[in-house]
Amino acid sequence: DAGVIQSPRHEVTEMGQEVTLRCKPISGHDYLFWYRQTMMRGLELLIYFNNNVPIDDSGMPEDRFSAKMPNASFSTLKIQPSEPRDSAVYFCASRANNSPLHFGNGTRLTVT
Amino acid sequence: RKEVEQDPGPFNVPEGATVAFNCTYSNSASQSFFWYRQDCRKEPKLLMSVYSSGNEDGRFTAQLNRASQYISLLIRDSKLSDSATYLCVVRPSGSARQLTFGSGTQLTVLP
Repeated sequence: DAGVIQSPRHEVTEMGQEVTLRCKPISGHDYLFWYRQTMMRGLELLIYFNNNVPIDDSGMPEDRFSAKMPNASFSTLKIQPSEPRDSAVYFCASRANNSPLHFGNGTRLTVT
Repeated sequence: RKEVEQDPGPFNVPEGATVAFNCTYSNSASQSFFWYRQDCRKEPKLLMSVYSSGNEDGRFTAQLNRASQYISLLIRDSKLSDSATYLCVVRPSGSARQLTFGSGTQLTVLP
């Protein structure tokens, strides 16, 4: 079991640039989550999918953020345009129904 | 009021000590409770679920008090490797709701 795979591990970009974060969930998991973690706000749920369908995106901070899940094995979180306050660690997580949540290693994003 | 509140710490304890963390939650209809552990610059990982009757896993004991809406984690005979941030996690009622994470309690076990 390879676990949840995220890429890139680190991303440094300039303000105004587009950022795309990628996630491959554990095979067979039908829930996928995107979280953001900062020192100030802790771990925040941004959006989650069930069977590739977005269920709750109320945590997405603003229209600059978008997420897609075109198939069961791939999801992206895009920020366009990026701002310095978007700097954080972004985690993808997946789970099967009634099973624990498994996190990826995270993407550490720095926007300068 | 935050949905899940924890004392951020830090807790600095000597090796071998017993340490306890508490966590309070605001939604009385919450259904499921967990403790996650997060090492520095790593992802959170499930430590243990918390059951109504309380449960134990080796040196770790978790308890739930629904009347007072808090859960606790007790670590006995603490090891250096227990140093981490411990996240209290609650799943509110309703099928559409997902896990809510506390901001974590930082523990450092000192030699």
